[in-house]
Amino acid sequence: QSALTQPASVSGSPGQSITISCTGTSSDVGGYNYVSWYQQHPGKAPKLMIYDVSNRPSGVSNRFSGSKSGNTASLTISGLQAEDEADYYCSSYTSNSRGVFGGGTKLTVL
Amino acid sequence: EVQLVESGGGLVQRGGSLRLSCAASGFTFSSYAMSWVRQAPGKGLEWVSSISGNADSTYYADSVKGRFTISRDDSKNTLFLQMNSLRAEDTAVYYCAKVRSYYYGSGLDYWGQGTLVTVSS
Repeated sequence: QSALTQPASVSGSPGQSITISCTGTSSDVGGYNYVSWYQQHPGKAPKLMIYDVSNRPSGVSNRFSGSKSGNTASLTISGLQAEDEADYYCSSYTSNSRGVFGGGTKLTVL
Repeated sequence: EVQLVESGGGLVQRGGSLRLSCAASGFTFSSYAMSWVRQAPGKGLEWVSSISGNADSTYYADSVKGRFTISRDDSKNTLFLQMNSLRAEDTAVYYCAKVRSYYYGSGLDYWGQGTLVTVSS
């Protein structure tokens, strides 16, 4: 199972919005509504930010939103804040009942 | 409060074995699938294995299939990962994570702090 494709890095200024893409295939992202997004700060465990494409867990800011079109999922962060600077990973369920992660995107808040 | 606490990591020689454990609390353990995810030093996340609630289904990444075995003891709220024939490329922090559903599919909503496995050559 090949990793999902994410940009290596994105950046934005405080208050701006950014979008991180996650491209897979019809056997993973495109075939199921089981895309999730994780935030990871250095030295910390990942934190679930979005599940099932567009759902936010309790406690996650509504500045985070998710969507999907075809084989590409997206995470949008609006009103960027300094604390949003972290690595972000997408993940999807796959046709052979396994999981797959993207390579990760480093978000820099300028 | 949900808590996941991994243990069992350490330094092992190539070809050796280790058994990781993950003690869970704060939720009905048997009702949820569980997963192991690893992260090599300076690298991204890699899904390793998942087990359904009550252990009726298990799945593995190709990179570990035939060498790693996931299991669970619902009476002790504990998840395990038996790792055999370890290779240098298995060196990573191993995270235990709770799945949002009975079968693997939806997101991993709680994660442990991770345990480091180092395989020396």
